[in-house]
Amino acid sequence: GEDVEQSLFLSVREGDSSVINCTYTDSSSTYLYWYKQEPGAGLQLLTYIFSNMDMKQDQRLTVLLNKKDKHLSLRIADTQTGDSAIYFCAERPYNFNKFYFGSGTKLNVKP
Amino acid sequence: GAVVSQHPSWVICKSGTSVKIECRSLDFQATTMFWYRQFPKQSLMLMATSNEGSKATYEQGVEKDKFLINHASLTLSTLTVTSAHPEDSSFYICSASGGNTIYFGEGSWLTVV
Repeated sequence: GEDVEQSLFLSVREGDSSVINCTYTDSSSTYLYWYKQEPGAGLQLLTYIFSNMDMKQDQRLTVLLNKKDKHLSLRIADTQTGDSAIYFCAERPYNFNKFYFGSGTKLNVKP
Repeated sequence: GAVVSQHPSWVICKSGTSVKIECRSLDFQATTMFWYRQFPKQSLMLMATSNEGSKATYEQGVEKDKFLINHASLTLSTLTVTSAHPEDSSFYICSASGGNTIYFGEGSWLTVV
């Protein structure tokens, strides 16, 4: 399958911005997703971007895509303690419905 | 919006028994559903692709006789873990396609004792 990589941990202070990074290997057209998983819970879709876009903003969330470097980032503005969770980056090839997930980044928000 | 529901959310079973997990698309039809497995503190790994009316397609390394998948209708896929062992304890999650995006179920925690 495709290779999707993320850093494992990120710690920020409440009110700061968080930036979670992800790299992927698929060079074809694809959808890229960010999911949030809270302890003991399932996956919550945060946002997604198609590979022909550079940026997508949705309230406190900003997704940036660097197609050349195959690098995706999720920026959370004004991070709150409720944002503490594991964030998964996922890639879905355009003509397939399979997801390839990164290892997840555990975000810890300190009060 | 589209919702995918899994049942049960939590299940404990004895070693050697079988347990069934259901995945339902509540307001859309899904010809294809996917089953993932997540070990503690690890990412989700695709186990198999469930196709309505045909056999499931399993990923390499997944035992098809141990993880039985049935997709009998356009809104229901089931995963049966047969002769469960403690090492099968995991978080199992399904997904289904609805339009341009994929929706995930809430997941099912299986503990085999």
